[in-house]
Amino acid sequence: EVQVVESGGGLVKPGGSLRLSCVVSGFTFSSYSMNWVRQAPGKGLEWVSSINSGSDYINYADSVKGRFTISRDNAKNALYLQMNSLRAEDTAVYYCASAGGDYWGQGTLVTVSS
Amino acid sequence: ATQMTQSPSSLSASVGDRVTITCRASQDIRNDLGWYQQKPGKAPKLLIYAASRLQRGVPSRFSGSGSGTDFTLTISSLQPEDFATYYCLQDNNYPYTFGQGTKLVIK
Repeated sequence: EVQVVESGGGLVKPGGSLRLSCVVSGFTFSSYSMNWVRQAPGKGLEWVSSINSGSDYINYADSVKGRFTISRDNAKNALYLQMNSLRAEDTAVYYCASAGGDYWGQGTLVTVSS
Repeated sequence: ATQMTQSPSSLSASVGDRVTITCRASQDIRNDLGWYQQKPGKAPKLLIYAASRLQRGVPSRFSGSGSGTDFTLTISSLQPEDFATYYCLQDNNYPYTFGQGTKLVIK
């Protein structure tokens, strides 16, 4: 059975940092590119970042470039998103998803508010 | 960035109806398009990949078509569980972009 579990969300003040984690099981994580996708409350889906299997091809949405860093540890079947200089507009549910969209986590809520 | 224009933004329909949702890309994305269904409080679920390929486990009443810039998701006979929000996603070039979503509601 495939499991994708995000963690690390919470309430943070503007300008603060958070690190999201996503741990997967049930598929060959090391063979998949992975994505972070977010959804602000009541809004649509927004792609945030992608990383390929070998961590040598990384892309970011312009809205997070220079503030967010995606990484992965294939030995731990884990994907990460380091989020710095957080803004109110980063408030969203953050989903971890495999490339191609087969596998998604349940999401973790990040709230940026003073 | 490739813009994805999805229409309609909302759609009222009845059980048994045939419905069509469209996405138009601002540039040629070949067939690098997926369709997702999302229900409130849940993660998106992949329905169609590569524009027209049915994801395993998805009912055959869902179908996708198109290539290049114009794409369509069709539900041939709506079932009660199909009332949800639908999104297209292009993964041809970065940044990946979603359509704005179509909320399908019961008439």
